[in-house]
Amino acid sequence: DAGVIQSPRHEVTEMGQEVTLRCKPISGHNSLFWYRQTMMRGLELLIYFNNNVPIDDSGMPEDRFSAKMPNASFSTLKIQPSEPRDSAVYFCASTATGGFTEAFFGQGTRLTVV
Amino acid sequence: KNEVEQSPQNLTAQEGEFITINCSYSVGISALHWLQQHPGGGIVSLFMLSSGKKKHGRLIATINIQEKHSSLHITASHPRDSAVYICAPADGLTFGKGTHLIIQP
Repeated sequence: DAGVIQSPRHEVTEMGQEVTLRCKPISGHNSLFWYRQTMMRGLELLIYFNNNVPIDDSGMPEDRFSAKMPNASFSTLKIQPSEPRDSAVYFCASTATGGFTEAFFGQGTRLTVV
Repeated sequence: KNEVEQSPQNLTAQEGEFITINCSYSVGISALHWLQQHPGGGIVSLFMLSSGKKKHGRLIATINIQEKHSSLHITASHPRDSAVYICAPADGLTFGKGTHLIIQP
């Protein structure tokens, strides 16, 4: 397996534009996590899914953020409209069991909103 | 919410030194991860441990569940160990802010 795949790796966009980040978890994994990493706050959980169902989205900062997992092999994180303070690295991680055991991270998407 | 504290935040050491990074948390957990992130790179899980000690090469992780404390040790440190080390309770909901480790040759 190629591991957790995120795309794009880098995204530069103008304030107000819609941004969509994508994640393909490891085949067979049934939990998927979206995180945001900044210098100031470190890693923060945004949302996680078990069996494609959102379990905890309390970390989603605002209504501008939304996440979907239409099937077991794909998830998206959308920001609309984007703002400069959304600039960060966004990571996706997947695990084979509920919770965070044996977690595998994607390479991250570095988002810059100008 | 589990408050996770790591120390030190930054650490610079000479090659060969013994390194210790500490992690404490406020809410009892069943297990904890130690993660490693190289500059500009992805995040990999080094250890997940629920009790006692685990060893992988030059890396040793210990945990005391009752005291809500874990440590990561690196023996005979090497410049390639330079990275950010992050501890995280095994629920994946919170993380330490990380320890930036630099090993100078």
